[in-house]
Amino acid sequence: DAGVIQSPRHEVTEMGQEVTLRCKPISGHDYLFWYRQTMMRGLELLIYFNNNVPIDDSGMPEDRFSAKMPNASFSTLKIQPSEPRDSAVYFCASSAPGHYGYTFGSGTRLTVV
Amino acid sequence: AQKVTQAQTEISVVEKEDVTLDCVYETRDTTYYLFWYKQPPSGELVFLIRRNSFDEQNEISGRYSWNFQKSTSSFNFTITASQVVDSAVYFCALSGAHSGAGSYQLTFGKGTKLSVIP
Repeated sequence: DAGVIQSPRHEVTEMGQEVTLRCKPISGHDYLFWYRQTMMRGLELLIYFNNNVPIDDSGMPEDRFSAKMPNASFSTLKIQPSEPRDSAVYFCASSAPGHYGYTFGSGTRLTVV
Repeated sequence: AQKVTQAQTEISVVEKEDVTLDCVYETRDTTYYLFWYKQPPSGELVFLIRRNSFDEQNEISGRYSWNFQKSTSSFNFTITASQVVDSAVYFCALSGAHSGAGSYQLTFGKGTKLSVIP
């Protein structure tokens, strides 16, 4: 299994631009999570899906952030417009039925200048 | 609400020393899961162990061991005979067993940065 695949690995963009982060979960996993890691706040949950349906988006910082999961094998996290304070590492994770743990992708390091 | 506290922000040890990383958690769930993850300098999050709240047996895996004490809400991690390759940030995490909002996701501690000096 290829694991959870995130793209791009690194993204540098200018303030005000739209940014789209992508995630392919492990096949058969029915939960998908988006986390953000910063020095100040640590690892924080942004949103998670179950069977492609958003369950909890209370961690999404503001309306500039949106996430979709159009099918079981793909999810996106979009920031529009981006701001320097959005600079962070964004992780995607998926989990199998039965709660046997979470597998994280390699993360996307976002820098907004 | 769930909360995980890792009071040790940074620890430095000399190679071959034993080191224990502390983790204290809070939850109202009666069934829950505890995890440890390792984040090496390369940045990925590596799963180390998962424990459910009904299993208080200590676990050993090579140089790693975990002590789960429900009475003190602690899930501590010990590395025996530490090596330079153990240098990383270690995260303790907690999740509920229920799939409802606010329970199923992982709640992470702030992490403990371990530096093993040769």
